[in-house]
Amino acid sequence: QVQLVESGGGVVQPGRSLRLSCAASEFTFNIYAMHWVRQAPGKGLEWVTVISYDESTKNYADSVKGRFTISRDNSKNTLYLQMNSLRVDDTAVYYCARGDNYYGLDVWGQGTTVTVSS
Amino acid sequence: DIQMTQSPSSLSASVGDRVTITCRASQGISNYLAWFQQKPGQAPKSLIYAASTLQSGVPSKFSGSGSGTDFTLTISSLQPEDFATYYCHQYDSFPYTFGQGTKLEIK
Repeated sequence: QVQLVESGGGVVQPGRSLRLSCAASEFTFNIYAMHWVRQAPGKGLEWVTVISYDESTKNYADSVKGRFTISRDNSKNTLYLQMNSLRVDDTAVYYCARGDNYYGLDVWGQGTTVTVSS
Repeated sequence: DIQMTQSPSSLSASVGDRVTITCRASQGISNYLAWFQQKPGQAPKSLIYAASTLQSGVPSKFSGSGSGTDFTLTISSLQPEDFATYYCHQYDSFPYTFGQGTKLEIK
């Protein structure tokens, strides 16, 4: 079935970097925009970033602009999130999600946990 | 940025009840409005897109309505598995935004 599986989360000190991955399966990855959404402990959902199907367009939330970079490898059906200069308030579960202009964020991964702590 | 305001923030109801959650956008978003259900420890699940269309496999007890700035999610005949947190979400323009969530609890 259509599936997204995130990996790469962990515990990291403030100021360090981490790269998340999201492996897609059972759908045509290279025709969909892909998003990252995060959820801090006990909090609501926060949209983080999006990349178009062909990498030509990227958008970021102000809270991560200049620190996070989204990318994708369509040959590997994989989405990435490079997170630099991590801060304590970046601590969250990070979800990747498939995006469609009409259907919205219709498929989500199970999430990977990032903890930023000294 | 478009602000999404949900009400109520929490709701207590009984099995068999019908409940309604509202969501207001700070500016018009046409019908680019989705509703998600999230249970503890799980990823959000898309219930409704385009304000009123059920995602495949979602039971018809869920319904959505609205356009422009005001939207509602109605859940009829509540069952134990429906008690969860619900979020509205606008995908009209970036940055995408979510409502703060409505926690639906068993009375």
